[in-house]
Parts: sequence; C-alpha cells; structure tokens
Amino acid sequence: DTGVSQNPRHKITKRGQNVTFRCDPISEHNRLYWYRQTLGQGPEFLTYFQNEAQLEKSRLLSDRFSAERPKGSFSTLEIQRTEQGDSAMYLCASSPTTEAFFGQGTRLTVV
Amino acid sequence: SQQGEEDPQALSIQEGENATMNCSYKTSINNLQWYRQNSGRGLVHLILIRSNEREKHSGRLRVTLDTSKKSSSLLITASRAADTASYFCATQSGTYKYIFGTGTRLKVLA
Repeated sequence: DTGVSQNPRHKITKRGQNVTFRCDPISEHNRLYWYRQTLGQGPEFLTYFQNEAQLEKSRLLSDRFSAERPKGSFSTLEIQRTEQGDSAMYLCASSPTTEAFFGQGTRLTVV
Repeated sequence: SQQGEEDPQALSIQEGENATMNCSYKTSINNLQWYRQNSGRGLVHLILIRSNEREKHSGRLRVTLDTSKKSSSLLITASRAADTASYFCATQSGTYKYIFGTGTRLKVLA
C-alpha cells in the first residue's frame, strides 16, 4: 500500500495524558499537512511542512500541540495534557504539488 | 476557520438520479478541489479545477467554477448507492494550505 499511513487508527486516553500520532506520507511527497476534524464539520488546518521545515501553524495549534517531521520523512503530532475538547479525527495529508492525498485518520477520544 | 460553505448541507436522492452540490468561498483562489469522505474515514481526492478553468470532467463527475461569483458546483450523474458519502470542497489561495468547506452529506437510496 503506497498511500498515506496513519497510526494508530483509534486512541482513547484519559484527560491530562499525552498522546502522539504518526503519519507516514507517500514517498517523495515533500509537503505534509495535519488537519483536525470534528463531527459534522470540514477538516480544519493545523500545520504544514515542506520537507522538514514547519512553514505554517494554525492558531488552533496551541502550546499543548507540537508537530515534527524529522528528515522530511514521517511526521508526528503530539498533544500534551489532553482535554476533552481535543477529541476529534486527526488527518494527515501529503502532496507532491497541488493535489493532497489523505490518510485514514486517527480518531482520538479523551475521557 | 472555514473558507467555504457547501449547499445543501444534506441531499437525499434515488439511485440513477443526478446529484448537484454547490460550494461558495470568500477569497480569491489558485485552485479548488473536491473530496469525498465515507463515514469515519479519510478523504479521497476527486477532482481539481484551477482558477483559469471553468469546467472539468472526470467519469461521472462534472465540476464548474465561477470565480466572479466565488462558487463551484459538483455534479454526480447517474448516482449509485456507493456514492453515499460527505463531499467537501477545498480551496488553495496564496499559501499552500487547503481550506475546507462544511460539506454536503449525500445519501443515495437504492
């Protein structure tokens, strides 16, 4: 499977715990995006990487959120001290130019 | 924040009928893309239309773009039950990020 891979697919965590999600983009796609989607809404932009450089961050990405893309390959999104409002689907996408290809997402539930 | 709004929010049609959904956006764009999302899954890219194009076709899909009205429409012809999904438009403007609309939930009844 050469699509965008996200792990885990589902994560249930207790409020206050830290969680980390991983995204493996399509090989040789230098652009990588993270989005968050809540029920009944469209995806909301969180952050964008070009290779290893994080070029844009949304105001939605509070200090509790951090994303990395070491060596311009896979990316991780960490949420510290999770809150119930963090419950959502976290989507990763990669792109060679203009078309973005999304992974299946990681569904986070904070209890 | 959402750039666009899809209309209608929900649409229910019989198999074989055509489905039309619309997207309006607020700022000038480089391109507009349509995506499909099955319940609880990731998004699947359907079609891209650039700002200098007015219409594109891909199989049973037809997309139009009217930059003067800041709107786009997606037509699915001869719909099938498998077309049941949410459909989102996404715009790219000066930066590289995609800004999504609120989506249209399409239900095709067999």
